[in-house]
Amino acid sequence: KQEVTQIPAALSVPEGENLVLNCSFTDSAIYNLQWFRQDPGKGLTSLLLIQSSQREQTSGRLNASLDKSSGRSTLYIAASQPGDSATYLCAVSPPSYGQNFVFGPGTRLSVLP
Amino acid sequence: KAGVTQTPRYLIKTRGQQVTLSCSPISGHRSVSWYQQTPGQGLQFLFEYFSETQRNKGNFPGRFSGRQFSNSRSEMNVSTLELGDSALYLCASTPGDYNSPLHFGNGTRLTVT
Repeated sequence: KQEVTQIPAALSVPEGENLVLNCSFTDSAIYNLQWFRQDPGKGLTSLLLIQSSQREQTSGRLNASLDKSSGRSTLYIAASQPGDSATYLCAVSPPSYGQNFVFGPGTRLSVLP
Repeated sequence: KAGVTQTPRYLIKTRGQQVTLSCSPISGHRSVSWYQQTPGQGLQFLFEYFSETQRNKGNFPGRFSGRQFSNSRSEMNVSTLELGDSALYLCASTPGDYNSPLHFGNGTRLTVT
């Protein structure tokens, strides 16, 4: 059974810092991995999707990497801003082709002005 | 392009009742997935519908059911509500392939008393 963990559970940093969020999964047989952010009381917003054949994806100040063999992904946020404050979740999909993603518990990020 | 729309935003029901939640996907999207989010269990996959057929199902009891209409709109139903069904119910849509990111609605907050 696939399990996804995220470290740290919470993180507080001053504005302008670069930071790394970690995601680990137990079964390396995945189809793709997605990173999301969730603002309080809202749904999830997709940030980056990495297919299993890819090593990384970039969007603006965000960079996500994937090491399937070790069951790890990292989300790098450059020059953090208060608007980046949210909960960040990673999710993996199984190789059996489906949208039944398994989510991690999330990292709650606070960027202080 | 309009996003994923979920109605209602909030619901309060009593134990034993049943409830129906609605999800309208992004125009052109044919896959709709449903997830349950609770503080204790996090985000858990309920089921996915594609072209009016259930394509994947999570590990939830039969009290949880869903359907999809020809216009891709989806409903989920929970019968014989229990206190533990209190949660944020999120739906997500994609075009139907497995390499597109999930687009989530803002969810329906269900409280069972």
